[in-house]
Amino acid sequence: GAVVSQHPSWVICKSGTSVKIECRSLDFQATTMFWYRQFPKQSLMLMATSNEGSKATYEQGVEKDKFLINHASLTLSTLTVTSAHPEDSSFYICSAGTRDRNNPSGANVLTFGAGSRLTVL
Amino acid sequence: AQKITQTQPGMFVQEKEAVTLDCTYDTSDPSYGLFWYKQPSSGEMIFLIYQGSYDQQNATEGRYSLNFQKARKSANLVISASQLGDSAMYFCAMREENYGQNFVFGPGTRLSVLP
Repeated sequence: GAVVSQHPSWVICKSGTSVKIECRSLDFQATTMFWYRQFPKQSLMLMATSNEGSKATYEQGVEKDKFLINHASLTLSTLTVTSAHPEDSSFYICSAGTRDRNNPSGANVLTFGAGSRLTVL
Repeated sequence: AQKITQTQPGMFVQEKEAVTLDCTYDTSDPSYGLFWYKQPSSGEMIFLIYQGSYDQQNATEGRYSLNFQKARKSANLVISASQLGDSAMYFCAMREENYGQNFVFGPGTRLSVLP
C-alpha cells in the first residue's frame, strides 16, 4: 500500500537554528501534501497545503516565513522551521492523499508519515 | 463552530468487550466523507475506516464498523472484541467535497483497554 516516509523522527535543536523535515511518498506520486502540527493531547491542526511546483497554501495564522514549505518534486515535500524557538516545539506530521486500499476507485484517504517530534532548547 | 465533535475525551473498555466512540459532524455540503484514524503513543496516524455521505450501508473493516446516521449527522466508530493494542487516541475526520482534499479532525478520544 501507499507509504509516506517522514524524516527525522526526532530532532532537538538550539534556539535560533533552522530545522528541515522531509516528507516522501515512497511508491506513489503526490501532487499535494499536507503539513499538520499537533500539540500534546490535542488534535491535528492543518498548517499548510504543499503543492508540487507552486507555492504552498498556508492556513490562517501560520507564518509562511517561519514555516517554509518546498514541494520540488512529485515525491518530496519539505518543511523548514526557520529560526526555531521553544514555542515551535511540537509534533509535525505530513500526509498525502491516496486511494483507500480496499476501494481503489473510491475516496481519497490521507496517508500519514510517522511524524517528527521537534524540541527547541 | 466545530465541524467535528467528539464528546468523549477518554473511554475505558474491558478487553474483549465492544466499545463505541462518538463522532458528530456539521456540514452543509451534500458530498462528504467521514474517516476514523487511530494514533498510538508512537504518534503515527493509522487510517481505520471510511464512510461516504452517499453510501447506503455502514462501513465495516474487520473489527471496526461505522454506525452512520446521516440525519443525526453522526458517525460513531464501533470496535468489537477490544484488544490491548487498541489503546490509543482515535480521531474522527471529515472531508467536504467543496473544500477539496482538506480534512478536518475532531479533538480525539483516548481509548484505554483494560486487561
